[in-house]
Amino acid sequence: EAGVTQFPSHSVIEKGQTVTLRCDPISGHDNLYWYRRVMGKEIKFLLHFVKESKQDESGMPNNRFLAERTGGTYSTLKVQPAELEDSGVYFCASSQDSRGYEQYFGPGTRLTVT
Amino acid sequence: AQSVTQLDSHVSVSEGTPVLLRCNYSSSYSPSLFWYVQHPNKGLQLLLKYTSAATLVKGINGFEAEFKKSETSFHLTKPSAHMSDAAEYFCVVSAVYQKVTFGTGTKLQVIP
Repeated sequence: EAGVTQFPSHSVIEKGQTVTLRCDPISGHDNLYWYRRVMGKEIKFLLHFVKESKQDESGMPNNRFLAERTGGTYSTLKVQPAELEDSGVYFCASSQDSRGYEQYFGPGTRLTVT
Repeated sequence: AQSVTQLDSHVSVSEGTPVLLRCNYSSSYSPSLFWYVQHPNKGLQLLLKYTSAATLVKGINGFEAEFKKSETSFHLTKPSAHMSDAAEYFCVVSAVYQKVTFGTGTKLQVIP
């Protein structure tokens, strides 16, 4: 069974540009989560999808971040325009259980904004 | 509200010696607790989880953790470190319908 995949693995962009991160969850997992780890800090929750609906987006830092999950399959996280403080590693996770137990994580996308 | 504190940012052990990674938590609800490991350039892998069953939890690769409610701790241990255990470890707390909260991580170095 394929795990959670994320693309790209690494992205380097200039301040002001746009970047789109993609996450493909494990097939059949309705719950999809995005997290972010800024250098030296803890991993923080961004948002939670149940199928195509946003269950909780309280962790999204500001309106420069837009997450979508059309069709309830893969999800994208767009940052527009990117700022220096957006640099970090963005993790995606999926689970069958909406309570958040046993989430399966992808390898992460390392975003560097210069 | 909930929080988790990993008491050591770095731990260094010799190969073959015991490993202890410390984690304290707080939660207003009955928590579930997890340990994840991240090897370089890999995703986060679930090591073990406590979800209100047995307080001593056994995980993969010989790791185990004990839930101690009175001490609000969930320390991760392994009797004998292996070189392949070198990685970053995250303690995580969650409660039903609460967001997952991660600790800041502990980097484990294993010296040959």
